[in-house]
Amino acid sequence: DAGITQSPRHKVTETGTPVTLRCHQTENHRYMYWYRQDPGHGLRLIHYSYGVKDTDKGEVSDGYSVSRSKTEDFLLTLESATSSQTSVYFCAISPGRTYQETQYFGPGTRLLVL
Amino acid sequence: QKEVEQNSGPLSVPEGAIASLNCTYSDRGSQSFFWYRQYSGKSPELIMSIYSNGDKEDGRFTAQLNKASQYVSLLIRDSQPSDSATYLCAVNKGSQGNLIFGKGTKLSVKP
Repeated sequence: DAGITQSPRHKVTETGTPVTLRCHQTENHRYMYWYRQDPGHGLRLIHYSYGVKDTDKGEVSDGYSVSRSKTEDFLLTLESATSSQTSVYFCAISPGRTYQETQYFGPGTRLLVL
Repeated sequence: QKEVEQNSGPLSVPEGAIASLNCTYSDRGSQSFFWYRQYSGKSPELIMSIYSNGDKEDGRFTAQLNKASQYVSLLIRDSQPSDSATYLCAVNKGSQGNLIFGKGTKLSVKP
């Protein structure tokens, strides 16, 4: 998985609780991304980062926040989880030097919000 | 019009046949195009990238790009049961590396 790990891999939580997902890379890539994948919707971008402390919103950012204090770590936080945030969450990384750079995905985190 | 469109399938082909997967996109400014394969319960993995009009071959896989028609396709020759997966088309958006993904086409290769 191109030097990308995600933790936890599986999580069950209750509505209203905060949840933090971690993405860790060993590739020293500049760009990091958080996606969610749902049946019928495909992969949708939540937030991305183009450097330490540099982040921006994606297509479905409401209800999510992110932080990147180190090159290797990108955290996704659900401040107050809702059932609609039950999903599979993927982290991806990219060197981002040119438009030709592709993204490489981590193993994913399955989140169930009850 | 959706930004990246793919037939959801399932597309069923016999073993040894050619599987043809298609994708259309709406942003004429897109410059890079990717095909990912995703097995059930796994993460997407890159199988092909293409940036210029024409064909690009890599083993049993051929990507075809036609920017005038805003169309990109993936051909899989000599399909194997192990090729059974969902294939995702991704197109870059704007000048940054952000990708827009299609919903994927599920391919089933029957022995």
